[in-house]
Amino acid sequence: EVQLVESGGGLVKPGGSLRLSCAASGFTFSSYSMNWVRQAPGKGLEWVSSISSSSSYIYYADSVKGRFTISRDNAKNSLYLQMNSLRAEDTAVYYCAREDDYGDAFDIWGQGTMVTVSS
Amino acid sequence: QSALTQPASVSGSPGQSITISCTGTSSDVGSYNLVSWYQQHPGKAPKLMIYEGSKRPSGVSNRFSGSKSGNTASLTISGLQAEDEADYYCCSYAGSSTRWVFGGGTKLTVL
Repeated sequence: EVQLVESGGGLVKPGGSLRLSCAASGFTFSSYSMNWVRQAPGKGLEWVSSISSSSSYIYYADSVKGRFTISRDNAKNSLYLQMNSLRAEDTAVYYCAREDDYGDAFDIWGQGTMVTVSS
Repeated sequence: QSALTQPASVSGSPGQSITISCTGTSSDVGSYNLVSWYQQHPGKAPKLMIYEGSKRPSGVSNRFSGSKSGNTASLTISGLQAEDEADYYCCSYAGSSTRWVFGGGTKLTVL
């Protein structure tokens, strides 16, 4: 079964750091670009970051640029998001999502992990 | 990069058809045939319903269809069913810098 499972969410104080992980299974992880997409409570989806299959190309939304770092370990079938200098507005459910074969859409999503930034 | 514009809510009765619009700009929707649509039920992860503007992934009902004209994409759901009640989001490729932009989401109520 094709599956993405996020972990690492939790409660963190403003200015703090957190590292999210996404474990992939059921497909050849190293062949796909991967993304992080977040959803603040009661709000819509927001694309956060993308990383190509070999990590050659990395992109960030302006809202997280300079604070978040996306990475992957193809040997471990894992995607990561290092989040530093966290702000209240980063509070959200963070989903990892696979781009499809042609990079046209997000065809597989994890169940999400909640990040709460609060003092 | 601003979010794509969707109506906040739409509604319809069982068996009817509804259309959700998604308006972007010439930098995203208007420039690329890479609009996708996602269905999200409360507390669940989004599910891909339409990609490349009008294509359906395997397993998605043919009651769901997509189209695009200029800077506006549309999702049409025909033969509304109770289980279609959910939030729907459009998404467009927006170039090598911004990469992806989502719409604000539309809540579909089946009356």
